[in-house]
Amino acid sequence: NAGVMQNPRHLVRRRGQEARLRCSPMKGHSHVYWYRQLPEEGLKFMVYLQKENIIDESGMPKERFSAEFPKEGPSILRIQQVVRGDSAAYFCASSPPEGNGYTFGSGTRLTVV
Amino acid sequence: GDSVTQMEGPVTLSEEAFLTINCTYTATGYPSLFWYVQYPGEGLQLLLKATKADDKGSNKGFEATYRKETTSFHLEKGSVQVSDSAVYFCALSARTGANNLFFGTGTRLTVIP
Repeated sequence: NAGVMQNPRHLVRRRGQEARLRCSPMKGHSHVYWYRQLPEEGLKFMVYLQKENIIDESGMPKERFSAEFPKEGPSILRIQQVVRGDSAAYFCASSPPEGNGYTFGSGTRLTVV
Repeated sequence: GDSVTQMEGPVTLSEEAFLTINCTYTATGYPSLFWYVQYPGEGLQLLLKATKADDKGSNKGFEATYRKETTSFHLEKGSVQVSDSAVYFCALSARTGANNLFFGTGTRLTVIP
């Protein structure tokens, strides 16, 4: 069992570019969660998805950020027109259908230059 | 709203010293409580959890007791090792099976030989 796979591990983008972060959940997990960790801060919930559905996006910034979890393939967190303040570590977690047993990926560290 | 307040770090201890990291929470209802550990360059790993009042979670020599009367979930270890050096996060989920976690800001622990 490969665990939760996130890629890339490190991503550098210039201001104004788009960032796409990928997350493949653990086998058998159908729920995906995205969190953001700003420097020297804890993790902040962004969005919770099931296959083809956004269940809770209360933590997503209103603009430039979107997430999807298609029927096939990984979950994608997309940040358009990145700004320096988007620099952070983005963590994905997955859980089985019953909702217990979070497993986190190793994160994607986004740097906006 | 739901929140977690965690002892600020960094904490530096000598090997075999006693560790306490304080965590208090605010939540409506009866949350589940967690401690996660993040080793350098890695994602978060669940260290221990407790789902109801007076439960004690334990793992790898770490313990924490869910205290409803003081709304606390302090992490303790009797004798730390160099390999325990990491960032520790206290977290809660607001209800059983809830989808998102609320995290504290993390406490960086460094254990010196």
